[in-house]
Amino acid sequence: AQKITQTQPGMFVQEKEAVTLDCTYDTSDPSYGLFWYKQPSSGEMIFLIYQGSYDQQNATEGRYSLNFQKARKSANLVISASQLGDSAMYFCAMRESSYGNNRLAFGKGNQVVVIP
Amino acid sequence: DTGVSQNPRHKITKRGQNVTFRCDPISEHNRLYWYRQTLGQGPEFLTYFQNEAQLEKSRLLSDRFSAERPKGSFSTLEIQRTEQGDSAMYLCASSITSVPSYEQYFGPGTRLTVT
Repeated sequence: AQKITQTQPGMFVQEKEAVTLDCTYDTSDPSYGLFWYKQPSSGEMIFLIYQGSYDQQNATEGRYSLNFQKARKSANLVISASQLGDSAMYFCAMRESSYGNNRLAFGKGNQVVVIP
Repeated sequence: DTGVSQNPRHKITKRGQNVTFRCDPISEHNRLYWYRQTLGQGPEFLTYFQNEAQLEKSRLLSDRFSAERPKGSFSTLEIQRTEQGDSAMYLCASSITSVPSYEQYFGPGTRLTVT
C-alpha cells in the first residue's frame, strides 16, 4: 500500500508568489516523522524540513513551512516568496519510528516550475 | 564540512556484467542508507547500516545485490549479473543518531545504465 501520496500535476508558479504542495500519508504507527526533500535537475536530494508526529507546532525553516494536519494525515509544504532556484521536484517522505525502523518511504513527487 | 559523496557518478555497463558503487558518508554520521530511484518515481529504500552492521534490507535487494560497510565508514553496493531493469539512480544517504529527527543527507547519486 502506498504510504505517501502526492498527486498534484506539475505546477507553474509566478516568482515571489507562494506555492503549496500536497502530501498525504498512511500509517498506524503513532510515532513517525515527515520530511520534505527538493531534487533539482542535478539529481541530488536536498533536505528541507522535518515534522515529528508529536510536535505541537508546525515546522518552519526559512521560506519553507509544513502545514501538519494530523487528523487528516496531511503534511503540506508551503514555499513562500518563490524564487527561480525553487524550480525542482519536491518529495514528501515518512519514517515510521517504532520497532527501530529507519527507512524513508517517499511519494512520487511534485514538479514545480517557477516563472519570472 | 563535506557532504555525502558517491563514485562513480555515471556507469554504463553491459547486461551480465558486475558493477560496484562507492559511498562516502558525512564523516561523523554513523548511519548509512542505500536507495534506488527510477524515472518518475521517488527513491525506494534498499538497505541500511549502523556503523558496520547491516541492520535492514528491503525485499527489493535481490540475491544479486550486496552491500558492505566494512569499517563503519564508506560503503559499497555491488550488483552482480546486471539486468536492464537495474538501470536507475542509486542514492546513498547518511544520518547521525544524536539528531532525534534522524534526517538523512543524500549524495549526488550514481546513475547506472545497463545496455
